[in-house]
Amino acid sequence: SYVLTQPPSVSVAPGQTARITCGGNNIGSKTVHWYQQRPGQAPVLVIYYDSDRPSGIPERFSGSNSGNTATLTISSVEAGDEADYYCQVWDTSTDHRNVFGTGTKVTVL
Amino acid sequence: QVQLQESGPGLVKPSETLSLTCTVSGGSVSSGNYHWTWIRQPPGEGLEWVGYIYYSGSTNYNPSLKSRVTISVDTSKNQFSLKLSSVTAADTAVYYCARADNWNEVAYWGQGTLVTVSS
Repeated sequence: SYVLTQPPSVSVAPGQTARITCGGNNIGSKTVHWYQQRPGQAPVLVIYYDSDRPSGIPERFSGSNSGNTATLTISSVEAGDEADYYCQVWDTSTDHRNVFGTGTKVTVL
Repeated sequence: QVQLQESGPGLVKPSETLSLTCTVSGGSVSSGNYHWTWIRQPPGEGLEWVGYIYYSGSTNYNPSLKSRVTISVDTSKNQFSLKLSSVTAADTAVYYCARADNWNEVAYWGQGTLVTVSS
């Protein structure tokens, strides 16, 4: 089955840039989505189709996808960005199903 | 604005069947190119896709759960449902109902409901 690997944690100072990676075999050939989940809340879609932002999501959130790594970048990090972040793809390599990454906890120092 | 709300028992005994319903408002389960989806999250763990149903009734399930999962839709009530049989403690999780859109991105989520499997 297809596996998406994320770093367990990323720490960043306010105003700096956080980069969260999502590794998968030839992930660049797939469409990647990203979610933010604050404690006790449902996830929120922050990036879809590799790099598009839903309405209401700040421009500080951006995405890229190439080769074996997709990346979510959060610029000018704010305290409110502290949350868990998950990547997701639709996998057709072995069977047709949604696969979520292992998740990354972003801590704002 | 589409809204989804899960409902069902919060406690299920081992070996029994977990049953949840998702009520959709602000949109119809019988229109559009959407996947009406269930996702779960064990306490302190990550997200796991359970499966989805298309408005036509076609389904797709996580292979690891396929033998125990049934997702159905009731267009007259604008609801879709999840049944998970022969549950164990490993099925304890927050269960989310959601709508996945054109690229399988999950744009709309319910608030989630905790289901605990315990005797």
